[in-house]
Amino acid sequence: DAGVIQSPRHEVTEMGQEVTLRCKPISGHNSLFWYRQTMMRGLELLIYFNNNVPIDDSGMPEDRFSAKMPNASFSTLKIQPSEPRDSAVYFCASTAGPSTDTQYFGPGTRLTVL
Amino acid sequence: GENVEQHPSTLSVQEGDSAVIKCTYSDSASNYFPWYKQELGKGPQLIIDIRSNVGEKKDQRIAVTLNKTAKHFSLHITETQPEDSAVYFCAAPRRGFQKLVFGTGTRLLVSP
Repeated sequence: DAGVIQSPRHEVTEMGQEVTLRCKPISGHNSLFWYRQTMMRGLELLIYFNNNVPIDDSGMPEDRFSAKMPNASFSTLKIQPSEPRDSAVYFCASTAGPSTDTQYFGPGTRLTVL
Repeated sequence: GENVEQHPSTLSVQEGDSAVIKCTYSDSASNYFPWYKQELGKGPQLIIDIRSNVGEKKDQRIAVTLNKTAKHFSLHITETQPEDSAVYFCAAPRRGFQKLVFGTGTRLLVSP
């Protein structure tokens, strides 16, 4: 199994630009989670999907952030417009069932907004 | 909502020593407590978990203990090795929500 796949691994962009992060969960997994990790705030859940449906987006910082899951094998996290404070590592994770099953994390996307 | 506190934030040990990391949680209804290990440049990976119907679980050199009365759980690593050096996170589920709340992490450094 290839595990959770994220792209790109690194992204450097300028303030105001649109950023799109991509995730391919493990085949057969029903739930997908987007996390953000920073030194100051640690690992924060942004949003999670169950069977492609957004269940809880209360962790999304503001309207500049949006996430979609058009099918069971693909999800995107978009930031528009990006700001320097969005700089962080963004992780995608998936589980076969609810969050109390093992969450398998991808390698992350390191985002730097200049 | 659930609040998870983790201590210490950093821990340095000599190879062969034991390491203990502790977490406390606030929601008495929590029933699942995983521990994740994050190596540099990688995503967190589950290393062990415990459910509230048991007090201790072991897997080779690692073990997790749970005290539901005191609402805390701990990760124990025995005979530490340099490859155990990483950041370790505890987590607990948030009541009524299908999501985990993670602790702030413990950076473990095992010196040869």
